[in-house]
Amino acid sequence: NAGVTQTPKFQVLKTGQSMTLQCAQDMNHNSMYWYRQDPGMGLRLIYYSASEGTTDKGEVPNGYNVSRLNKREFSLRLESAAPSQTSVYFCASSSGGGSHNEQFFGPGTRLTVL
Amino acid sequence: GDSVTQMEGPVTLSEEAFLTINCTYTATGYPSLFWYVQYPGEGLQLLLKATKADDKGSNKGFEATYRKETTSFHLEKGSVQVSDSAVYFCALSDRATSYDKVIFGPGTSLSVIP
Repeated sequence: NAGVTQTPKFQVLKTGQSMTLQCAQDMNHNSMYWYRQDPGMGLRLIYYSASEGTTDKGEVPNGYNVSRLNKREFSLRLESAAPSQTSVYFCASSSGGGSHNEQFFGPGTRLTVL
Repeated sequence: GDSVTQMEGPVTLSEEAFLTINCTYTATGYPSLFWYVQYPGEGLQLLLKATKADDKGSNKGFEATYRKETTSFHLEKGSVQVSDSAVYFCALSDRATSYDKVIFGPGTSLSVIP
């Protein structure tokens, strides 16, 4: 039982390049999330997927797109990376349904945009 | 809207000292409350939770009591260890959504010195 896995762990991009961050969970969770973590800003929700087939914007969606590929996988795409997107990105999952369930987090992807 | 406020860090303590990290929240309904911990280079993991007023969550020697009258959920530990050095996030979960929406505080960094 691996929990939530993310790839890659580290990435360096040049301004304007694109990339996709991958996330998968093996806990049969319905809901999945993408956060970014910046010094002094805490965790900010980028996008979430309440259930397979649905995605919605969070607090800071500009510059990102997501795909809920199936129940297990939820990817985050940067179409044209900018230095402001330098951050640590975390994927999380939870049972869903609004029953106050905890979220389980992956180990993070550390992205630097030059 | 709902929000979480927690004490500013960083906090530096000597080993075996008593720890308190203050957390207060604002919510319109009856949220569940959480403490998450993030060790260096890792994702967040749930430390403890409480789902209703006067509940006490506990884990690994840490405790927090859900105080509805003061809208607080302070984290305490009687004797900290070097291995407790981490960032601690207070959080709340809002019931009125189709997913497990969690609002995080800004985090409090704890360093424990031998």
